[in-house]
Amino acid sequence: SQKIEQNSEALNIQEGKTATLTCNYTNYSPAYLQWYRQDPGRGPVFLLLIRENEKEKRKERLKVTFDTTLKQSLFHITASQPADSATYLCALGSGGGADGLTFGKGTHLIIQP
Amino acid sequence: DGGITQSPKYLFRKEGQNVTLSCEQNLNHDAMYWYRQDPGQGLRLIYYSQIVNDFQKGDIAEGYSVSREKKESFPLTVTSAQKNPTAFYLCASSIVQNTDTQYFGPGTRLTVL
Repeated sequence: SQKIEQNSEALNIQEGKTATLTCNYTNYSPAYLQWYRQDPGRGPVFLLLIRENEKEKRKERLKVTFDTTLKQSLFHITASQPADSATYLCALGSGGGADGLTFGKGTHLIIQP
Repeated sequence: DGGITQSPKYLFRKEGQNVTLSCEQNLNHDAMYWYRQDPGQGLRLIYYSQIVNDFQKGDIAEGYSVSREKKESFPLTVTSAQKNPTAFYLCASSIVQNTDTQYFGPGTRLTVL
């Protein structure tokens, strides 16, 4: 069965450093991978999408890489700030339809001042 | 403002009662989804709908029912057959395209007393 793994433990990073979150998957050949941010008691918010033929995508302080050989995506937040503290979810999609995404459990990121 | 609304934010129900959670979107999206989120768990798909008057079971549909009579609305009924209904419920919508980026509502927290 399809499986998505994200760091199960909280990730503590000092303010100003780069936070790196990992998303690994098995038994899946996704057409794209998405990252979402979720704050406590709220719905997830879309951040970035990277397609299978793309190696890297950037948006402001965010960078995502996608290695289909390793079956892994890395999500980086540079110059991290306490306001970046949240749970980050990765999601995989096969594309072309509306049967949706498969989400990982998320990584709780804490940026300490 | 465009977006997805869910109501109510908090809902309490006595054991054995059915309850309906509301989800409305004005984004003109074709596809809508219901997820359940439990502590430490990822988002699990309950039902999804690609077009009006059509919907499909997700991974955990037992004990739930939905309807899609209007494009804007996708209500979820949690029936008494759902053995462990206490959870955070999230509704989402997307354009039917090749990336399925999802837009989430604020969620409804259901507690069974």
